[in-house]
Amino acid sequence: LAKTTQPISMDSYEGQEVNITCSHNNIATNDYITWYQQFPSQGPRFIIQGYKTKVTNEVASLFIPADRKSSTLSLPRVSLSDTAVYYCLVGGSGSARQLTFGSGTQLTVLP
Amino acid sequence: EAGVAQSPRYKIIEKRQSVAFWCNPISGHATLYWYQQILGQGPKLLIQFQNNGVVDDSQLPKDRFSAERLKGVDSTLKIQPAKLEDSAVYLCASSFEGGDIQYFGAGTRLSVL
Repeated sequence: LAKTTQPISMDSYEGQEVNITCSHNNIATNDYITWYQQFPSQGPRFIIQGYKTKVTNEVASLFIPADRKSSTLSLPRVSLSDTAVYYCLVGGSGSARQLTFGSGTQLTVLP
Repeated sequence: EAGVAQSPRYKIIEKRQSVAFWCNPISGHATLYWYQQILGQGPKLLIQFQNNGVVDDSQLPKDRFSAERLKGVDSTLKIQPAKLEDSAVYLCASSFEGGDIQYFGAGTRLSVL
């Protein structure tokens, strides 16, 4: 069971960079790290996925240290519309390992 | 590209009644997931299908919940009989393969009275 631990909540102001860290001490060799965003009354939506080092796309960056026991989602210059719950998920492609979402991090962006 | 379709969006039933939810995954996605999300919690995996076979149903309360994906495409999740604690959002997701990026439907919000 790939258990993850995240802060319950974070507050930020518009225009700031937000970093959300997830701990996953028992990550397996073939596990990827995936982050999802969820707005109220919607299903989670994929943000970014990585295996090691750094991954960047048009909305976020993902930093993974060499031991891969944690990962940090970085959201540059957040806006009010980034207020949502953010989940990290650990699992391997083709894996039958149980996929577990934690409780997520409620990010609130203030004006 | 069409996303994951779920129906109905909302359902209200009384305890001990039965209910069924339907999911149509993204075309070509072999893996289909059903999750239960209770208010304030993260999604909890109930069952994972690879084509029409079950990969993981360890957290499915099999005395009252059942799911099927007979032709490896659409899936149905059933609860019979429902309990008050089954009130939740039921999310369906699909991915190309197990462990890949998941695409979620909007969910079905179930209220058991």
